[in-house]
Order: sequence, then C-alpha cells, then structure tokens
Amino acid sequence: AQSVTQPDIHITVSEGASLELRCNYSYGATPYLFWYVQSPGQGLQLLLKYFSGDTLVQGIKGFEAEFKRSQSSFNLRKPSVHWSDAAEYFCAVGGDPYGGSQGNLIFGKGTKLSVKP
Amino acid sequence: ETGVTQSPTHLIKTRGQQVTLRCSSQSGHNTVSWYQQALGQGPQFIFQYYREEENGRGNFPPRFSGLQFPNYSSELNVNALELDDSALYLCASSLFETQYFGPGTRLLVL
Repeated sequence: AQSVTQPDIHITVSEGASLELRCNYSYGATPYLFWYVQSPGQGLQLLLKYFSGDTLVQGIKGFEAEFKRSQSSFNLRKPSVHWSDAAEYFCAVGGDPYGGSQGNLIFGKGTKLSVKP
Repeated sequence: ETGVTQSPTHLIKTRGQQVTLRCSSQSGHNTVSWYQQALGQGPQFIFQYYREEENGRGNFPPRFSGLQFPNYSSELNVNALELDDSALYLCASSLFETQYFGPGTRLLVL
C-alpha cells in the first residue's frame, strides 16, 4: 500500500539550532517527493520537491532534503531554525502523472514544529 | 502566494444540507485536485480534474462530486452533509507534477 510516515508528531527546537524532520514512504513506482509547510489556519506552501537527479535538493527558506532510496526516506533539514519556522510540516509522495498514475498526492500526518526563544 | 483562490473562507452548515466550495486555479494550470484535511491530520485526496474530466478519485463516497469549468476553475459539491465532513477543504492547481495549494475553506457541520 502507498503511504507516508512522519514518525514525529511534535518537535521542539531552540532558535538557531539545527532541525531534521523525518519522512519515510512506501510507493510502488518511482516516487515524486514533496515537503509542504502549513501555518495555522492556512493552506500548504511548497518548500521543495524531488523528482530525479541529485538526491540533495534545496528549497525555499533555507530548507533542504535528502532522498535515500535504500531507506525509502526523504528527510527535511535546516541548519539554523528561526522563530518564524514554527508551523506544521507535511511530507507527500506522488507518482508520475504522465506515467499512468493519477498524480494525486499521499500525505503524512504532519510534524508540528515549535521553536523556543 | 500561489495564485490559487478559494471561496468561501469559512462555512457553517447543518447535517443533511448541501454545500458548494469554489476554487480558481493559478493562471495557466489545467488540473485541479481537491483534498480534505481533518483536524490534526494530513490532507486526503478527494478527486482530480484535468481539462474538465475527472482524472482520479480517492476513497470518498459519491455524495462528494465536482466540476471543472472551461477556465479551469472548479467546484466541490458535498450532499447530505455529515458531522465528519467538518474539515479544511483544500484545492490545488497544477500544470505538471507540482501542485500549488489555495488557502482552503473551513467547513463546520453542526
């Protein structure tokens, strides 16, 4: 079955500390992987995406993620967290919409990030 | 800002009623997907429209239906509302693989 697991429901880090949010996926075909961020009461903003090529991808706001096929993981990292990064983060997997799948996204349950001053 | 807009922003309905939610795609995008996000959960795929045709559906009953118009805007209709339909409804538009989300419509069913 296709699924995304985000093992950490809630993470608290101090401002300026590094951050890693975990994401594991199960997907039968070549996955397209995404990280989105959601502020309270808001929609989802795309942070970064991986389709192919270099397994380390850079996104907006200083975030990066590394695709590890052998571990079925796509963890999100940031070297120094800012107070404005406090939000909920969602990992999502989708298929190639031109390769026979329907292109819908499967989301994890999210990780809520709190930032201590 | 993604350029995807949704209306209304909030809505309160009673059980058994019908509701229509609207979404305007980002300019140039021909595909719209709808998701339901219950409190404390990740979004769940409802269905997708590509050039006015349904292009895939998630595990939602037929009382969830949709339309896409020639300008690629879209509607989500829910009939016979149930309490569990209370959620944030998100639409996303896309041209290729990346989906861009609107701010959502928060629906409360009493």
